Amino acid sequence: SQQGEEDPQALSIQEGENATMNCSYKTSINNLQWYRQNSGRGLVHLILIRSNEREKHSGRLRVTLDTSKKSSSLLITASRAADTASYFCATDALRGQNFVFGPGTRLSVLP
Amino acid sequence: NAGVTQTPKFQVLKTGQSMTLQCAQDMNHNSMYWYRQDPGMGLRLIYYSASEGTTDKGEVPNGYNVSRLNKREFSLRLESAAPSQTSVYFCASRAYFGTGVGADNEQFFGPGTRLTVL
Repeated sequence: SQQGEEDPQALSIQEGENATMNCSYKTSINNLQWYRQNSGRGLVHLILIRSNEREKHSGRLRVTLDTSKKSSSLLITASRAADTASYFCATDALRGQNFVFGPGTRLSVLP
Repeated sequence: NAGVTQTPKFQVLKTGQSMTLQCAQDMNHNSMYWYRQDPGMGLRLIYYSASEGTTDKGEVPNGYNVSRLNKREFSLRLESAAPSQTSVYFCASRAYFGTGVGADNEQFFGPGTRLTVL
């Protein structure tokens, strides 16, 4: 069973708008990471948030983590067409097998 | 510094054929992983190697074998390919098999191998 589940499965927005994706998970974690995958390519690491952190920023990315609700969100501000990709959350479990990916959110940013 | 490299990029097999997917990393990472990604889905872990000399099954290991040849190289073998193994295969590495709260440890991915089994 997959640890992380992203929501929504697909999101379509206009350039300049903000995009918010959510991730829920099931067990205790060391950290949670977000990755981007452009069509036909490998995954690229975007940002990592530790279990003892609640919010983290990196450029136009803002990630929050709520360990009590076992959920995280990724906000991309002022989106660009180049942000069109699939976004995955991956949880690094506290025990057992680490790094479990969710099914991803497909983001389309329309010019 | 090439990161994680995979060969081949594309492969077509007939049912029952065997092949080995190669993966190498030049970042001196301890842990290496093999995933498969089916259309519209996330990555599923096939096997991983927490450190040189060890390998363990992931979520979907049936039909596959792995070899951690040395610290740099981690290969995935399909002994008798089946159409259900048609997928994109990704190799990844990370510095160490993280444990404990606060371990910062991202995975680095190769470009993938697109495998079709007829």
